[in-house]
Amino acid sequence: QSVLTQPPSVSAAPGQKVTISCSGSSSNIGNNYVSWYQQLPGTAPKLLIYENNKRPSGIPDRFSGSKSGTSATLGITGLQTGDEADYYCGTWDSSLSAPHVVFGGGTKLTVL
Amino acid sequence: QITLKESGPTLVKPTQTLTLTCTFSGFSLSTSGVGVGWIRQPPGKALEWLALIYWDDDKRYSPSLKSRLTITKDTSKNQVVLTMTNMDPVDTATYYCARAVETMGFDPWGQGTLVTVSS
Repeated sequence: QSVLTQPPSVSAAPGQKVTISCSGSSSNIGNNYVSWYQQLPGTAPKLLIYENNKRPSGIPDRFSGSKSGTSATLGITGLQTGDEADYYCGTWDSSLSAPHVVFGGGTKLTVL
Repeated sequence: QITLKESGPTLVKPTQTLTLTCTFSGFSLSTSGVGVGWIRQPPGKALEWLALIYWDDDKRYSPSLKSRLTITKDTSKNQVVLTMTNMDPVDTATYYCARAVETMGFDPWGQGTLVTVSS
């Protein structure tokens, strides 16, 4: 049971847009930056978005991030078959005894 | 170019202690704001954060695993070591290390190493 809640799966056609939600609480998303990671099949995760909405060098602007209150959203436009992957959100959580990192349960994106 | 690579045993027996080493290049763990973290992923399941060590030797642990984890660094060797005691079959997973820079998330990640816990 992940601290951050993501939909298990989303799907859309090539060229379309999709959004993936990440729901948390005031102890995590509400007061910390959110990162998003893409994990292509059989590979290590890759950072897509950091500090809620910033893209590392080399990440196309088809990928975007936003945050509102205790939820964050990853958006992908112009879907390509190569975008089929698992997507994870992550952030810090200040509950319990000490700050710690938490991830969402992951969302599998299918490009139909 | 920044790279990280995990190394350690691929098979451990229940109750044994796992020791994993992350060897990195392209950055220094003595640079302010820089850290190295460990994250694992059981087969077919989600990512789970384990621990993180910063340039100033500040250490953070997963609350649920804290009693079993120890993270250390050797700045001169560009290595970070994670030990996990009392291994159980449920600890079977791919273990990743990754660089962390302040609030910028984990980037990049190592290729991961699969550790199987079985007698």
